[in-house]
Amino acid sequence: EDQVTQSPEALRLQEGESSSLNCSYTVSGLRGLFWYRQDPGKGPEFLFTLYSAGEEKEKERLKATLTKKESFLHITAPKPEDSATYLCAVQGGDNFNKFYFGSGTKLNVKP
Amino acid sequence: ETGVTQSPTHLIKTRGQQVTLRCSSQSGHNTVSWYQQALGQGPQFIFQYYREEENGRGNFPPRFSGLQFPNYSSELNVNALELDDSALYLCASSSPGQGGNTIYFGEGSWLTVV
Repeated sequence: EDQVTQSPEALRLQEGESSSLNCSYTVSGLRGLFWYRQDPGKGPEFLFTLYSAGEEKEKERLKATLTKKESFLHITAPKPEDSATYLCAVQGGDNFNKFYFGSGTKLNVKP
Repeated sequence: ETGVTQSPTHLIKTRGQQVTLRCSSQSGHNTVSWYQQALGQGPQFIFQYYREEENGRGNFPPRFSGLQFPNYSSELNVNALELDDSALYLCASSSPGQGGNTIYFGEGSWLTVV
């Protein structure tokens, strides 16, 4: 069964304390892996798309990496404004138009 | 800002009623998909429309239906509302072939069924 699992469910960091979020997936025929940021009451905001194992993308304090079974979102020296829920999604499987989302990691960065 | 706009932003309906949610896609995007997001969960795929035809559907019953118009805007209709339909309904647009398969979300419509 195609699915996406994110860990941890919640993460509390001090400002400046770097960490990583994990997204593991099982899907046949991966067409892409996507990271989104979602603030409370808002729609998900696109961050990165990764297409193949070994690929990396960076944006400010965020860096996303991809292997054949999982992706990591590394957050370097986070700031309070990085607090949000980070969602991972994969596209693939039998219904190739469908994005499978994980339940997200809720990140709280304390000043 | 993604350019995907949804309306209404919030609404309250009674069980058994029907609701229509609307979405305008980002300029240049010809594909629209709809997702349901329950509190504390990730979005769940409802269906996708491309060139006014449904071309993919998730595990939602037939009382969830949609339309796409020639200008690529879209509607999500839900009949016979149930309490469990209370959720954030997200519309996302994309243009396959331009920059990959990335979908861009609107801010969503919050539906409460009482």
